[in-house]
Amino acid sequence: DTAVSQTPKYLVTQMGNDKSIKCEQNLGHDTMYWYKQDSKKFLKIMFSYNNKELIINETVPNRFSPKSPDKAHLNLHINSLELGDSAVYFCASTRQSTDTQYFGPGTRLTVL
Amino acid sequence: GNSVTQMEGPVTLSEEAFLTINCTYTATGYPSLFWYVQYPGEGLQLLLKATKADDKGSNKGFEATYRKETTSFHLEKGSVQVSDSAVYFCALRLAGSARQLTFGSGTQLTVLP
Repeated sequence: DTAVSQTPKYLVTQMGNDKSIKCEQNLGHDTMYWYKQDSKKFLKIMFSYNNKELIINETVPNRFSPKSPDKAHLNLHINSLELGDSAVYFCASTRQSTDTQYFGPGTRLTVL
Repeated sequence: GNSVTQMEGPVTLSEEAFLTINCTYTATGYPSLFWYVQYPGEGLQLLLKATKADDKGSNKGFEATYRKETTSFHLEKGSVQVSDSAVYFCALRLAGSARQLTFGSGTQLTVLP
């Protein structure tokens, strides 16, 4: 029944490691997003994909690389993790004909 | 550029109190406006929205009216409950902008019994 799911829910890792966060939506939406929420709850868009093509790429380090193998999945790979990458990462999706974005439960990343 | 400004929190109210969370926006064009709510440990959920001037969005006792003249979309509820404790985000989206949302900074609401 889960509309937008993310794995893992928690991720604790050391500086310098490479990690991935996965996102899947079963709503048949054509556009997916990654957001970063910092410790003060501020939300900032990172990437957006429409039909597997990148359409928004905000100013994020190129250590972050999104990958969309199909319309239902948008994964986020992060290389050489840094302390400042610690945050909650949210995936979201929407259908072209509607304004409503549906969010996943978030992945809390902690870099030690 | 486009931006959303929300009243700073945290806001603490007693149960059954009246709630107002202010939101104003700056946009080039005519945005759609949204309120999202984030309950503890969860992702964001759409609470209500309005797509044109003078529209009123409402849901779960919450209301917000799209005021073009004051560029505002203030969230109100007449009688809050403990279960309304959450972080509330105001957001806008411009037409044709790849459906990208611009969020305010969020307002933490705590309702005490």
